[in-house]
Amino acid sequence: EVQLVESGGGVVRPGGSLRLSCAASGFTFNDDDMSWVRQVPGKGLEWVSGINWNGDTRGYADSVKGRFIISRDNAKNFLYLQMNSLRADDTALYHCARGYGSSGSWGQGTLVTVSS
Amino acid sequence: DIQMTQSPSSLSASIGDRVTITCRASQNIGKYLNWYQQKPGKVPKLLISVASNLESGVPSRFSGSGSGTDFNLTITSLHPEDFATYYCQRAYSTPRSFGPGTKVHTK
Repeated sequence: EVQLVESGGGVVRPGGSLRLSCAASGFTFNDDDMSWVRQVPGKGLEWVSGINWNGDTRGYADSVKGRFIISRDNAKNFLYLQMNSLRADDTALYHCARGYGSSGSWGQGTLVTVSS
Repeated sequence: DIQMTQSPSSLSASIGDRVTITCRASQNIGKYLNWYQQKPGKVPKLLISVASNLESGVPSRFSGSGSGTDFNLTITSLHPEDFATYYCQRAYSTPRSFGPGTKVHTK
């Protein structure tokens, strides 16, 4: 069974940093591209970032480009999102998802709140 | 960037109704279009990829069509469990933008 479990969310002040992690199991992690998608509770989905299987290709939404960095550790089956210069509009539930073009498996998410 | 729009933003329907949701891309995206269903408190579920490819386990009452800039998701006969919000997503190139969603609610 595919499992994606996010961690690392919390409350942070504007301008601060957080590092999200996603532990993957139940599939061959180093065969698959991965993504981060966020959702403000009650609002729509926003694709944040994606990374290919070996980390050579990474993409970002314009809203996070230059502030967030996606990475992965295929030896440990982990996906990461380093979030810097956080703003109030980054407040959302952050999901990791299997796939870059289409995502058939999603984690339950970790909540990030940016507030002073 | 390519913008994704959906219409309608909300629709009311009854059990057994045929429902069609439209997704439009601001530029040609070929057939690189996904459809997801999301219910309250749940993660999105991938229904259709590459515009018309039904994912395993998805009921055949769901179908996708279109290419280029205009796409449709059709539910031929609405079931009670189909009341949800539906999102399209551009499936190639960056960013992999989602549409704003279409909420299907009971009439």
